[in-house]
Parts: sequence; C-alpha cells; structure tokens
Amino acid sequence: KAGVTQTPRYLIKTRGQQVTLSCSPISGHRSVSWYQQTPGQGLQFLFEYFSETQRNKGNFPGRFSGRQFSNSRSEMNVSTLELGDSALYLCASSLDINYGYTFGSGTRLTVV
Amino acid sequence: GESVGLHLPTLSVQEGDNSIINCAYSNSASDYFIWYKQESGKGPQFIIDIRSNMDKRQGQRVTVLLNKTVKHLSLQIAATQPGDSAVYFCAESMKTSYDKVIFGPGTSLSVIP
Repeated sequence: KAGVTQTPRYLIKTRGQQVTLSCSPISGHRSVSWYQQTPGQGLQFLFEYFSETQRNKGNFPGRFSGRQFSNSRSEMNVSTLELGDSALYLCASSLDINYGYTFGSGTRLTVV
Repeated sequence: GESVGLHLPTLSVQEGDNSIINCAYSNSASDYFIWYKQESGKGPQFIIDIRSNMDKRQGQRVTVLLNKTVKHLSLQIAATQPGDSAVYFCAESMKTSYDKVIFGPGTSLSVIP
C-alpha cells in the first residue's frame, strides 16, 4: 500500500514568487491536512480538507491556500513568498476524523 | 500559526534502558492525544494514541500515560534501541475539531549504544 506522496521533495524559490506543492494521499483516505514545520515554530497546522471542502484552518495569512480534488489529491499554494516561508511542508492523510494521520516525507521549501 | 514552545528538549538514554518522554498539553478541552516519532528527513510517524476516557494505553514496547488533572502526557519506551533515536512529538485535538491537530515542541531522544 503506497504511503502519502508529496512532490516535489525539494524546492528553491525567490522572494515574491509563488509556489504550488502537491500531495497524494493514501488510497481511500479522504481527509488531507497540511502542516508547516520550522525549527523555531515547530509543527503548525495550516488547513484540512475533506471531500474537496476545507473544514478547518490554522492561523496563517491568506497567502497560504489549498484545495482538494475529487480524487482526494491536494495542493497547497503560497503566493508572494517571504524568506520566513522557508520550511518543511508536510501533508498527512486519514480516512476521516477519529483516525490517526499518516504523514508524507514533506517538501523542503527554501526561499532566497 | 498555533504552536507550543520554541525549544527542543533532549533526552539521552543508554541502549536497553527505559525512556520516558513527557509532554504538557495546552487545552483542557482536548480529548484525543497522539504520539509521533520523526526521524531525520522523514515525516512524523504515528506511534500510539489515547482518548481522554483512558489514562493508560500500551502498544509494542510503548506505553502512553494520560493525566488530565495536570494536563500531562508521557510516552514510555521499554528497552530503548538505537533505532528509537528520533524527535518525539505529542499532539492533541478536540472532539469538535479532530482534523485540527496541535503539536507540542518535540523531544529529541538520543540512544547511546
């Protein structure tokens, strides 16, 4: 059974650019969550999608957005990149709430 | 964003000893708790979970203890092995928003062979 797949694995972008990260959940999983991980702030919840609807959102600016497709694959987008957006972005999938989440290996974003 | 703490506590244990990793959670309304293990270059890996109607749960070589009175969670690893070296995170969520998981700052466990 394939795990959660995130692409790309590494990414370097320039300030002001935008970026789109992709996440393919485990087959059958309909809930997809996104997290930002930095050494200073730890793991922070970005948002969660279920059946193409955003159910919950963390305290991040509107530059951070996401979406989920009918096949449960999800993308997150960050516009007008800032140096502080450099982080490991993790995606996690689950059957639904009340089930544990399985994480992907993340996308390492570096903003220069 | 929401997070707990900025500094990463560290714990060093001798191979074969038992490890105890502690976590203070933030929300008294939280009723679902999870421990994750994160190795370098990988995403967090689910270890064990516990709901607020329990105070202890055991898995293979791991035990989670929950003390709701003082909002404290602990992870016990028996007979610690070098492969247990990693960062361990506790996480909490509430019944009204299980999809929003709040992570603790993590504890770095180093196993000395």
